[in-house]
Amino acid sequence: NAGVTQTPKFQVLKTGQSMTLQCAQDMNHEYMSWYRQDPGMGLRLIHYSVGAGITDQGEVPNGYNVSRSTTEDFPLRLLSAAPSQTSVYFCASSYIFFSSTDTQYFGPGTRLTVL
Amino acid sequence: KNEVEQSPQNLTAQEGEFITINCSYSVGISALHWLQQHPGGGIVSLFMLSSGKKKHGRLIATINIQEKHSSLHITASHPRDSAVYICAVSLNNNDMRFGAGTRLTVKP
Repeated sequence: NAGVTQTPKFQVLKTGQSMTLQCAQDMNHEYMSWYRQDPGMGLRLIHYSVGAGITDQGEVPNGYNVSRSTTEDFPLRLLSAAPSQTSVYFCASSYIFFSSTDTQYFGPGTRLTVL
Repeated sequence: KNEVEQSPQNLTAQEGEFITINCSYSVGISALHWLQQHPGGGIVSLFMLSSGKKKHGRLIATINIQEKHSSLHITASHPRDSAVYICAVSLNNNDMRFGAGTRLTVKP
């Protein structure tokens, strides 16, 4: 299993540009999520999905869009990049969100800089 | 006030020492997670617990639901344990909140 993969690893954008961060998992996990990590602030949940066709907002959803057309893929779209979106983005997945025996698997992260 | 508070923010220990990292939360939760972030940035899930205690090797995690408090203990610490340890809580609505992390350095 490749686990959770993210592409690209690094990206530089200009203000106003749009782009999609890719996330895929091959573990047949139902729950997938996107986080951003900023210095001194910890991780914050952007959007999550509990299954194909179902998405919902997390703590900081503004400026981001998601869709879940398949169990495997959960892309994150930046509609019009802003310098405040400079961050490290992590994708994660788990089999069942509320299971006490479950665990979350994280992707390697994407470092995004918006100029 | 952050919904998840960790202490200490930074911790330096000598190899072999017993280490405790604390996490307090102020919201209703369905589970609590302890994560480890390596110096290279990768994040690994260590524990997910909703009650009691879990042990994995030299790591022990406990949670007291009534007091809204969890601790992560590392016995016989080693330099390879140096990392940022993050406490996170699963809210009852599928959302998650994270602590700011505790940076642990274990010196040989």
